[in-house]
Amino acid sequence: QQQVKQSPQSLIVQKGGISIINCAYENTAFDYFPWYQQFPGKGPALLIAIRPDVSEKKEGRFTISFNKSAKQFSLHIMDSQPGDSATYFCAASLGYGQNFVFGPGTRLSVLP
Amino acid sequence: NAGVTQTPKFQVLKTGQSMTLQCAQDMNHEYMSWYRQDPGMGLRLIHYSVGAGITDQGEVPNGYNVSRSTTEDFPLRLLSAAPSQTSVYFCASSSTSGRGSNNEQFFGPGTRLTVL
Repeated sequence: QQQVKQSPQSLIVQKGGISIINCAYENTAFDYFPWYQQFPGKGPALLIAIRPDVSEKKEGRFTISFNKSAKQFSLHIMDSQPGDSATYFCAASLGYGQNFVFGPGTRLSVLP
Repeated sequence: NAGVTQTPKFQVLKTGQSMTLQCAQDMNHEYMSWYRQDPGMGLRLIHYSVGAGITDQGEVPNGYNVSRSTTEDFPLRLLSAAPSQTSVYFCASSSTSGRGSNNEQFFGPGTRLTVL
């Protein structure tokens, strides 16, 4: 019940295209859903996050879509750029978002 | 602010050796945690602390010890290293200011540990 599933494992997108990464969770008590971006040799950094009381959150080219009934959420990267090439992790947490359960990650490559 | 710092960046151990991974933060965060990152498995929580003097186990605590004597520091100890502990270790911290807060976890740069 603590697991967060993430797909695809890897993704190749052309510059200017849309990158979509999907996650699913089991525990309906999760109440905070962040996405983290990680570049090689670096620690993960928060990209965008959402709480289950909204269905969508947009920050610049990055959008989270949240489907509470399906227990799924996704990250959309519009106008993908080579600089977006990184590994993306979805996560979920209980309470005030302290103990996170992470998905296995998606390695995104944006071709120039 | 330096944020979350970790030392060392790289370490090679032999099976059975012990060592301590250091983690410090200068943001006065109450919550600190240790994760390990393995290929295809994301980040898994090892131990966490909600404040000085308080620690608890995460998903994969076996083989690791922690202590939290100050708000700033949260060292992770490997008592007897095993090859299965070869991984990249990340320390993270966040504020526990409540539901209205950002809840952002700040991660350190990581320690790459190899156990031979």
